[in-house]
Amino acid sequence: KAGVTQTPRYLIKTRGQQVTLSCSPISGHRSVSWYQQTPGQGLQFLFEYFSETQRNKGNFPGRFSGRQFSNSRSEMNVSTLELGDSALYLCASSLRTSGDNEQFFGPGTRLTVL
Amino acid sequence: AQSVTQPDIHITVSEGASLELRCNYSYGATPYLFWYVQSPGQGLQLLLKYFSGDTLVQGIKGFEAEFKRSQSSFNLRKPSVHWSDAAEYFCAVGVANQGGKLIFGQGTELSVKP
Repeated sequence: KAGVTQTPRYLIKTRGQQVTLSCSPISGHRSVSWYQQTPGQGLQFLFEYFSETQRNKGNFPGRFSGRQFSNSRSEMNVSTLELGDSALYLCASSLRTSGDNEQFFGPGTRLTVL
Repeated sequence: AQSVTQPDIHITVSEGASLELRCNYSYGATPYLFWYVQSPGQGLQLLLKYFSGDTLVQGIKGFEAEFKRSQSSFNLRKPSVHWSDAAEYFCAVGVANQGGKLIFGQGTELSVKP
């Protein structure tokens, strides 16, 4: 069974631009979560989607948004990029949306904002 | 608010020596606890998890962890470290009623001396 895939793996943008990252979950998984990883803040939860609905949201500004499609693939969008948005963005998929559910992580998208 | 603390930012052990990585959590009820490992440039891989029952749990790659409610701890152990264990290790808490959201500790970077 194929794992979680994320595209692109690397991205370079300039301040003020917007970016869209994509995540394809493991086949059969309906929950997709997104995390931001930075050296200063560590791993922080962005949001979770289940059956095309946002179920949970972390403490990030409205510039960060996401969506999920009927095939469970998910995208996250960051508008008006800031230097501080440079990070590794990780996507995780799981069968259900519950705290006791194992999440499988993708390799991440490394975003650099210049 | 829920939180996870990993007191050791960086640990160095000799190959063949035993290892213990510390994790303390703050949560009102019994949490769902996880240990993940991240190799450079990679996503997170689940080592083991605790939901309930036996407080000593076995994971992959020879790792184990013990849940101690009285100390709010979930320390990761390995009896004999291999050079390939060098990586960053994250302890995480899954919270009931917050879907798939994971709260991560800051991570412990493990170096292995030959």
